[in-house]
Amino acid sequence: GAVVSQHPSWVICKSGTSVKIECRSLDFQATTMFWYRQFPKQSLMLMATSNEGSKATYEQGVEKDKFLINHASLTLSTLTVTSAHPEDSSFYICSASTQPWDYQPQHFGDGTRLSIL
Amino acid sequence: KNEVEQSPQNLTAQEGEFITINCSYSVGISALHWLQQHPGGGIVSLFMLSSGKKKHGRLIATINIQEKHSSLHITASHPRDSAVYICASSETGNQFYFGTGTSLTVIP
Repeated sequence: GAVVSQHPSWVICKSGTSVKIECRSLDFQATTMFWYRQFPKQSLMLMATSNEGSKATYEQGVEKDKFLINHASLTLSTLTVTSAHPEDSSFYICSASTQPWDYQPQHFGDGTRLSIL
Repeated sequence: KNEVEQSPQNLTAQEGEFITINCSYSVGISALHWLQQHPGGGIVSLFMLSSGKKKHGRLIATINIQEKHSSLHITASHPRDSAVYICASSETGNQFYFGTGTSLTVIP
């Protein structure tokens, strides 16, 4: 149980395009989802926390207009990288849990490798 | 901010060896998580613990709340255990804080 599906797993696109990444909890209701970014040889960096039906809480330094997060249902959160540029190339990964999230195990998607040309 | 530190950063072991990875944190937490990240990038949650000890197969995780320290042990290590192991703290009303990870390579 507790499967999180992240799609797509790999994206290559031109600079200036927008890219949407989906994170779905397949067999549980994810009241809280997290979005992370990871550069090569570095640890996870939390970008934002999203609770179903609420606006996402972004970490300091993460542009909310650049990285649009929507968590419209208990099983789906999306991250849209708007007007992507090469510096946005990275590995993006989501995790999901039930409440209270700080006392619950996190279930991770398999990540999305984003390459902007 | 919770400072989460892991050691060692890199670890190479022979198959069958007992492995210990350490994690320390600076402020009180709700729970401590141990994660395993495979070379392809996928992350698996190994343990979440608030006190004591948990065991799953050849993996054992312990935490000492007073000393703000946790350890992940792997008994009878195997090449398939090669991965990056990450500890992370979660706090009520706050965010996750991640350690920098320990890259483990188990040589046959």
